[in-house]
Amino acid sequence: AQTVTQSQPEMSVQEAETVTLSCTYDTSENNYYLFWYKQPPSRQMILVIRQEAYKQQNATENRFSVNFQKAAKSFSLKISDSQLGDTAMYFCAYSTDSWGKLQFGAGTQVVVTP
Amino acid sequence: GAVVSQHPSRVICKSGTSVKIECRSLDFQATTMFWYRQFPKQSLMLMATSNEGSKATYEQGVEKDKFLINHASLTLSTLTVTSAHPEDSSFYICSARSIAGGPQFGPGTRLTVL
Repeated sequence: AQTVTQSQPEMSVQEAETVTLSCTYDTSENNYYLFWYKQPPSRQMILVIRQEAYKQQNATENRFSVNFQKAAKSFSLKISDSQLGDTAMYFCAYSTDSWGKLQFGAGTQVVVTP
Repeated sequence: GAVVSQHPSRVICKSGTSVKIECRSLDFQATTMFWYRQFPKQSLMLMATSNEGSKATYEQGVEKDKFLINHASLTLSTLTVTSAHPEDSSFYICSARSIAGGPQFGPGTRLTVL
């Protein structure tokens, strides 16, 4: 069975600074997809970034980038130039396809302070 | 594009009654939808996979007779919580299988059972 682990319950960062969220996963599959989702206080799930396991290049989306280490089964998210609107719960998720059912980690609460 | 809606956004019901939650894909067809449950300050847990025109597939530990899922059209899946009890109070979120780029999530439904 696949498991997704986020070991940081909460992270605090000052505006304009950088914060990195960790995520590790366990799988016996060779091809799979990893996601980072943001859940603000509204509780709407928002896709931040997606990574296909067969792609070695790390995904980047504006201020958000990932460090994907397939051998280590690690998938960390870096938020650069943090903004107040980045305050939210961030979930790492795993799927065996790009649009299917997801297995989520426990989440990391990110708080951006002025 | 790829918008998913849920109705109602909030519902309060008495113990022993049934509640229906709708999940709609507004601008695309979704042959597969997923239902998640999220308790306060916790992660999302997959409850079931809803397939258009066929029976839903439930995750281990989810009572299929309590959480009835119907996916009668390509744009609508419904989750009915039967004989609801206070422990069923939770946030229910659906997602739709979309090729637009990752699963698309609805805004969620907060269920409170008195």
